[in-house]
Amino acid sequence: GAVVSQHPSRVICKSGTSVKIECRSLDFQATTMFWYRQFPKQSLMLMATSNEGSKATYEQGVEKDKFLINHASLTLSTLTVTSAHPEDSSFYICSASGGPSTDTQYFGPGTRLTVL
Amino acid sequence: KQEVTQIPAALSVPEGENLVLNCSFTDSAIYNLQWFRQDPGKGLTSLLLIQSSQREQTSGRLNASLDKSSGRSTLYIAASQPGDSATYLCAVDSNYQLIWGAGTKLIIKP
Repeated sequence: GAVVSQHPSRVICKSGTSVKIECRSLDFQATTMFWYRQFPKQSLMLMATSNEGSKATYEQGVEKDKFLINHASLTLSTLTVTSAHPEDSSFYICSASGGPSTDTQYFGPGTRLTVL
Repeated sequence: KQEVTQIPAALSVPEGENLVLNCSFTDSAIYNLQWFRQDPGKGLTSLLLIQSSQREQTSGRLNASLDKSSGRSTLYIAASQPGDSATYLCAVDSNYQLIWGAGTKLIIKP
């Protein structure tokens, strides 16, 4: 159990467009979801923490108006990269907690975003 | 298929001791290996990143080593403190995916 999916797995878009990434907990209710990104040759870094039904908490340096997070249900959170630019090209990973072991984070497989 | 294992699953030591956490992986073709700490209810905090060409990285009281040939990494914590209590995760960047260990839950007793 405790499976987290992400969609899409890869996306290529033009500069200036918006891209939505979905994160779903398939077999448990995720009270908290986390969004991370990893630039090439760098560590995975936390972007924001999202609790169902409330506004996301963003880490310092992450623009909340650029990276819109919605956690409308206990099984779905979305990250929308608005007006994407090439520097937003990265590997985005979500994780969810609230599964069999409530403190454990279960990770999605990631979404690779390339902005042309 | 890459698999990542962390041993032990849990560890409890008195304050002040030096300790080692282990992470092993089955496929040596990796881009990098990362160590994180997770505090209850919080997102992961990145501790150290070791590129595949490196053998170790240090940050303060933390030292991480990487031996690709044997498929092992260790995280050494010197002079442990109660504030080090957390779950420590390692992740291997392999074939454009992050493969996660299950973590070691560390408790430092005052």
